[in-house]
Amino acid sequence: DTAVSQTPKYLVTQMGNDKSIKCEQNLGHDTMYWYKQDSKKFLKIMFSYNNKELIINETVPNRFSPKSPDKAHLNLHINSLELGDSAVYFCASSPLPPIYGYTFGSGTRLTVV
Amino acid sequence: DQQVKQNSPSLSVQEGRISILNCDYTNSMFDYFLWYKKYPAEGPTFLISISSIKDKNEDGRFTVFLNKSAKHLSLHIVPSQPGDSAVYFCAASVTSGTYKYIFGTGTRLKVLA
Repeated sequence: DTAVSQTPKYLVTQMGNDKSIKCEQNLGHDTMYWYKQDSKKFLKIMFSYNNKELIINETVPNRFSPKSPDKAHLNLHINSLELGDSAVYFCASSPLPPIYGYTFGSGTRLTVV
Repeated sequence: DQQVKQNSPSLSVQEGRISILNCDYTNSMFDYFLWYKKYPAEGPTFLISISSIKDKNEDGRFTVFLNKSAKHLSLHIVPSQPGDSAVYFCAASVTSGTYKYIFGTGTRLKVLA
């Protein structure tokens, strides 16, 4: 019974396409996040939602749009994919305050060709 | 601007010996720190935390030390076991507002049997 599940696990797509990554958590947490791990292994926060409200919005191209239909789901939609978007995207959730950090999903490896 | 740095990308240690993983940070406002462990094709999992009001926290084989004046923390694993082989990330946050964790780039630990 996976706590934070992301789909798909792998995604290969062509430049210019639009794609979505879905995330669901069954932990009852109020806050969800998207992190990006690039080729240099930096884990950078992109967005955070608390009870469906956007609370963190880092400097991310507006081709990336998060959507939280309810507090258990946080999806990431990416328009007009570029080569530089290739990375591993991790969804995570936590209560507030996250004194035990976040619970991460297993990641979605996005490859743009 | 990389606020959390792990300058050793990899470390090899013999089974039974001590593993010491290091992390430096630049933002003096950080007051809460975590270590995560990550296996391939999985998301990072929480390992141990420390608040800036402490200089040491211990949990079984894992001990985290914090030196605020040096802006340095370290994770000690004693004794190291082959199952400890993974990538270890440190992360830091300011415990107010959005609790955004900033991650280091990770250190790959290999414990040799």
